[in-house]
Amino acid sequence: KNQVEQSPQSLIILEGKNCTLQCNYTVSPFSNLRWYKQDTGRGPVSLTIMTFSENTKSNGRYTATLDADTKQSSLHITASQLSDSASYICVVSGRSSASKIIFGSGTRLSIRP
Amino acid sequence: GAGVSQSPSNKVTEKGKDVELRCDPISGHTALYWYRQSLGQGLEFLIYFQGNSAPDKSGLPSDRFSAERTGGSVSTLTIQRTQQEDSAVYLCASSLMSGGAGNEQFFGPGTRLTVL
Repeated sequence: KNQVEQSPQSLIILEGKNCTLQCNYTVSPFSNLRWYKQDTGRGPVSLTIMTFSENTKSNGRYTATLDADTKQSSLHITASQLSDSASYICVVSGRSSASKIIFGSGTRLSIRP
Repeated sequence: GAGVSQSPSNKVTEKGKDVELRCDPISGHTALYWYRQSLGQGLEFLIYFQGNSAPDKSGLPSDRFSAERTGGSVSTLTIQRTQQEDSAVYLCASSLMSGGAGNEQFFGPGTRLTVL
């Protein structure tokens, strides 16, 4: 069964600190993996996309990694800011026409001043 | 350019009434998705339209839920005989295509449905 699991469920860190969010998936055959950020009361917005051949990709203070062999991805946030408080959702797409886009349940990140 | 829009932004209804939620996707996007999100929970897939293909309705929770996409553009999600457990935010998203790197979903602001 295609699944996407994220950890931790929630995380609280102090402003300025770094953190890493994890995503494990079983979707196969794999096409791509996206990290979305969802601010409270808003729809999710894509931060980055990882394809099979990519190991790491940065978008400002966000760095995503992908290990296609172990089917794991991480999102690292550097020098966190209050505006980083949001839910971060890992979304994996399969390559076959029958594959769906599978959403993880998200990690709720809170940045404290 | 215009993003995905949804209306109404908020809807309060009485148990047993029917409601219609509207989604205007980004022009030219072939794929359209509906999701439901309860408070503090993740996104729950409801239904997916891709071009002229038959929609994937596998996520609809009951036969009270239905959706249409007219002319490959605007979509309407209908909930008949609403129940209190239908209360949630209903999110619509569209993407340029359904697979590959072009499948970034652009989400609307959602419709918050409250069933009293």
